[in-house]
Amino acid sequence: NAGVTQTPKFQVLKTGQSMTLQCAQDMNHEYMSWYRQDPGMGLRLIHYSVGAGITDQGEVPNGYNVSRSTTEDFPLRLLSAAPSQTSVYFCASSPTPGTGFTDTQYFGPGTRLTVL
Amino acid sequence: DAKTTQPTSMDCAEGRAANLPCNHSTISGNEYVYWYRQIHSQGPQYIIHGLKNNETNEMASLIITEDRKSSTLILPHATLRDTAVYYCIVGIRGSNYKLTFGKGTLLTVNP
Repeated sequence: NAGVTQTPKFQVLKTGQSMTLQCAQDMNHEYMSWYRQDPGMGLRLIHYSVGAGITDQGEVPNGYNVSRSTTEDFPLRLLSAAPSQTSVYFCASSPTPGTGFTDTQYFGPGTRLTVL
Repeated sequence: DAKTTQPTSMDCAEGRAANLPCNHSTISGNEYVYWYRQIHSQGPQYIIHGLKNNETNEMASLIITEDRKSSTLILPHATLRDTAVYYCIVGIRGSNYKLTFGKGTLLTVNP
């Protein structure tokens, strides 16, 4: 298993540009989440999904859109990038309670985004 | 979700036990205590979790006080690779898709 993968690893945008951060997992997890981490801070939840077609807002959703058309993929879209969105973005997935439930969230390696 | 309080930083000598404290005085009866760590620039990594009994796995031990208002993560023989930020989080079982991370404790293991 590759686990949780994120692309790109690094990205530089200009203010006002849009882009999509990709996240994929091959563990058949129903739950997926996006977090951002600013320097010296903990992670803050942007959006999450409890299954294909179901998404909800986290703590800091403004300026971001998500959709979940498949179990495997959970892309994060920046509609009009702003310098305040300069951050490291982490995607994560976790299984739903059930047989063999591990109650563990698995994180990707992160995407480092700079908005000029 | 209940809030947690952790020291900003701690030091530990290599080979010694590292004991990381966490206060969660407002924890509810159905909330678990989870520990994650984040090695520099990497995504967080799950360590251990528990409800009220002490727990041990290959990475660490978790000691939860009887009143559940605090807990301690123990790394029995710390190595340089254990240098990381350690996060103590409380949450309802099965809701780990929306964890609330604080600033955590930066543990520095010194040679």
